[in-house]
Amino acid sequence: DTGVSQDPRHKITKRGQNVTFRCDPISEHNRLYWYRQTLGQGPEFLTYFQNEAQLEKSRLLSDRFSAERPKGSFSTLEIQRTEQGDSAMYLCASSLTAYQETQYFGPGTRLLVL
Amino acid sequence: DQQVKQNSPSLSVQEGRISILNCDYTNSMFDYFLWYKKYPAEGPTFLISISSIKDKNEDGRFTVFLNKSAKHLSLHIVPSQPGDSAVYFCAARREDDMRFGAGTRLTVKP
Repeated sequence: DTGVSQDPRHKITKRGQNVTFRCDPISEHNRLYWYRQTLGQGPEFLTYFQNEAQLEKSRLLSDRFSAERPKGSFSTLEIQRTEQGDSAMYLCASSLTAYQETQYFGPGTRLLVL
Repeated sequence: DQQVKQNSPSLSVQEGRISILNCDYTNSMFDYFLWYKKYPAEGPTFLISISSIKDKNEDGRFTVFLNKSAKHLSLHIVPSQPGDSAVYFCAARREDDMRFGAGTRLTVKP
């Protein structure tokens, strides 16, 4: 296993379109996290899963954002009706258990909304 | 609310010298602290961490110091190498809530 992977690496879309990003965590990791990173800032937590259960979603940026992890393996993050302010890097991270403090990040998906 | 702050956006040091990156936090409930390194077009890579029950953790050229009373941590890199040039993020965690600083861009000059 080579680590956390994300697809696509880059996405350009027009305002108002929906986009979906995929994250494949390290295979034995049961915790999966989504972050957003804007220019000049650190990663900002959005949501996370323990297996297929979404344990925190109050910090998703708006109701246009949703995430799923249906089988407890890969996860998707969807943004509906994209806005120019959604342009950012979207990062996924995974960790082995709730008590393993280290999260391992994927390379990110860079979104540009025109 | 910025619970984790890295007040120096950039730092430049000479190869072979010490690099010291600083981080301050406001929430005394944080109990685990981490440093990540990020190269362009890559995700953050875990570097080193420290639990709140310790005040120092060392891993090769990298040492993290924690001063809980001052709510301050620092990362020391000795000796600095050109390959260390990257953006460094500190992070503070309580349970599953992890907050990042804005990062410090380190440039190590040959």
